[in-house]
Amino acid sequence: AQSVTQPDIHITVSEGASLELRCNYSYGATPYLFWYVQSPGQGLQLLLKYFSGDTLVQGIKGFEAEFKRSQSSFNLRKPSVHWSDAAEYFCAVKIPGGYQKVTFGTGTKLQVIP
Amino acid sequence: DVKVTQSSRYLVKRTGEKVFLECVQDMDHENMFWYRQDPGLGLRLIYFSYDVKMKEKGDIPEGYSVSREKKERFSLILESASTNQTSMYLCASQRVSSYNSPLHFGNGTRLTVT
Repeated sequence: AQSVTQPDIHITVSEGASLELRCNYSYGATPYLFWYVQSPGQGLQLLLKYFSGDTLVQGIKGFEAEFKRSQSSFNLRKPSVHWSDAAEYFCAVKIPGGYQKVTFGTGTKLQVIP
Repeated sequence: DVKVTQSSRYLVKRTGEKVFLECVQDMDHENMFWYRQDPGLGLRLIYFSYDVKMKEKGDIPEGYSVSREKKERFSLILESASTNQTSMYLCASQRVSSYNSPLHFGNGTRLTVT
C-alpha cells in the first residue's frame, strides 16, 4: 500500500521569504501526486498535481512542486510567501489505475510572520 | 464550479445518539468520500461510494455506516456516537472521467460527542 510522509508538522516563515514543504512517498512505481491546501475553517483545495511528463509542476497561487523519482519526493515551493498563504498543506498520493483511493499525509501547518 | 455542501458546520451530540452527517454535490460526480481529520493524523478515509447504493470501506470504517440513495447525496451515519468520534468530518466528490480528476471537498462538519 502507498504511504505519504510530511516530516514537518509546523513551519514558520517571514512574509516575502521563500518556502519549501517536504513530501516523501512510499510506492513501488510512480504514483499520482497532489498538493492540497486547507485554509482555516475551510475544506481542502487542490494546488497542483503530477501524473507524468515534466517533473516541475506549476499550480495555483504561485506554487510549484518538483517530482524527484530518485528521492521519492514531491516538495512544494513558493519563491515569496504572502500572509494569506498561512494554512495547512497536505500532500497526497494515488496509485494509478484501480479504484481511486487517495492517501493523504499528516499535513504541514504554515505560519507566516510579518 | 463544483460545490460540495455539508449540511452542518458544527454539531454537538451525546454519547449513544444516532448521528447523521449529510453531504450533497451539484456536479453529477460518480465518486463520493467521507474522511475524518484529526490533528497529527491527517485525513483518513472512512467510506467511499462509486455509484448509487454502492459503498466500500475505507481505512477506518468501524463505528460508521453510509448511505447513497441518490447520486448527489452521501450520508455518514454514526449508529451510536462515542467520544472518540469527536472529530472534523470532510466529504469529497470526484468525477471518474479520468484518473487525474481531483477531489472536491466540502467545508467540513466539526462533530463533538459529549
